[in-house]
Amino acid sequence: KQEVTQIPAALSVPEGENLVLNCSFTDSAIYNLQWFRQDPGKGLTSLLLIQSSQREQTSGRLNASLDKSSGRSTLYIAASQPGDSATYLCAGGGSAHNTDKLIFGTGTRLQVFP
Amino acid sequence: ETGVTQTPRHLVMGMTNKKSLKCEQHLGHNAMYWYKQSAKKPLELMFVYSLEERVENNSVPSRFSPECPNSSHLFLHLHTLQPEDSALYLCASSHSRDPGWYGYTFGSGTRLTVV
Repeated sequence: KQEVTQIPAALSVPEGENLVLNCSFTDSAIYNLQWFRQDPGKGLTSLLLIQSSQREQTSGRLNASLDKSSGRSTLYIAASQPGDSATYLCAGGGSAHNTDKLIFGTGTRLQVFP
Repeated sequence: ETGVTQTPRHLVMGMTNKKSLKCEQHLGHNAMYWYKQSAKKPLELMFVYSLEERVENNSVPSRFSPECPNSSHLFLHLHTLQPEDSALYLCASSHSRDPGWYGYTFGSGTRLTVV
């Protein structure tokens, strides 16, 4: 059974720091990976999607990479801002079936203070 | 708004009540999902519909009953719930042909409290 671990579980940093959030899968046979952001009491906002043929995606200050050989993904946040404070979730899909489902980690709770 | 709309945003219901959660998307997706998010637990997949047909039921208790009348609408009917069913219920949609290519879009969720 696929399980997803996110490290660290919580992180509190001053504004301006560069951050690395980690995500690892017990089964490295990952088809694709998606990073989400969740604000308290809200739904999930998609940040980056690494498709089956890709290894990396970038959007603004965010960069995500996926190493399929080890089953690990990293989300890099450059020059963090207080508005980045949220819970970050990674989720992996394990197959190309048309009803593929995501397996989620428990998240990293990030607080960026001024 | 992400393109996936969930109503109501908040719901308080008694254990003997019957209520329904609604999800609507107009993204052209033809797969829809219900997820449950409880405190300090990963999101749990409850139901998957592809092309309006239920293809997965992850051993969810029968007090939760999904309905997908068309590819744009998804309901979760609730009856005789328990306090431990209190959670954030999230709806998502995807292109069923290859969700790995297009990704998933989530709604804002319904915060359910069972009293």
